[in-house]
Amino acid sequence: GAVVSQHPSWVICKSGTSVKIECRSLDFQATTMFWYRQFPKQSLMLMATSNEGSKATYEQGVEKDKFLINHASLTLSTLTVTSAHPEDSSFYICSAGAIAGVVSYEQYFGPGTRLTVT
Amino acid sequence: AQSVTQLDSQVPVFEEAPVELRCNYSSSVSVYLFWYVQYPNQGLQLLLKYLSGSTLVKGINGFEAEFNKSQTSFHLRKPSVHISDTAEYFCAVSASNSIQGAQKLVFGQGTRLTINP
Repeated sequence: GAVVSQHPSWVICKSGTSVKIECRSLDFQATTMFWYRQFPKQSLMLMATSNEGSKATYEQGVEKDKFLINHASLTLSTLTVTSAHPEDSSFYICSAGAIAGVVSYEQYFGPGTRLTVT
Repeated sequence: AQSVTQLDSQVPVFEEAPVELRCNYSSSVSVYLFWYVQYPNQGLQLLLKYLSGSTLVKGINGFEAEFNKSQTSFHLRKPSVHISDTAEYFCAVSASNSIQGAQKLVFGQGTRLTINP
């Protein structure tokens, strides 16, 4: 149980275009999801916390107009990288941190999405 | 705020030897502690967690960790490693007074465990 999927797993886009990454909880409802960014050989950096039906809370230094997060349902959160640039190339990972009706203190991670901007 | 320090960026070990990956944390409030493993180009998998109770926590794949409050440490151990344990290991902490399920995780820098035959 508690499986989180991400789509796509790998995407290449041209500089200036936008790309959307989906994060789905497959067998549970997630009231809170998190989005992380990971550069090669580095740790995970929290970008934002996404709560179903409300605006995401962004960490300091993360541009909310560039990284648009939508948590429209209890099973889907999306991250849209707008006007992508090569420096946005990274590994993006989502996690589900709250499961509706379940006492849980851990986060369940998706497999990640590799974004390459050319 | 919380912070996590993983003292070793890389740990090479021979197969079937024991291993310890060190993790120290800093926090002004009580915390929950986690160890995650990440294989190349994959997400994170939970190895084990400490929420309360016994300070010795056993996890999957033969790993265990001990919570030491006085030393603010949560070191990960395995008595005999296998080639398949080669991966990146992350220690993480969250504040225990946060809203359940919505607490942020703060990660350490990661330790690359390499198992040599």
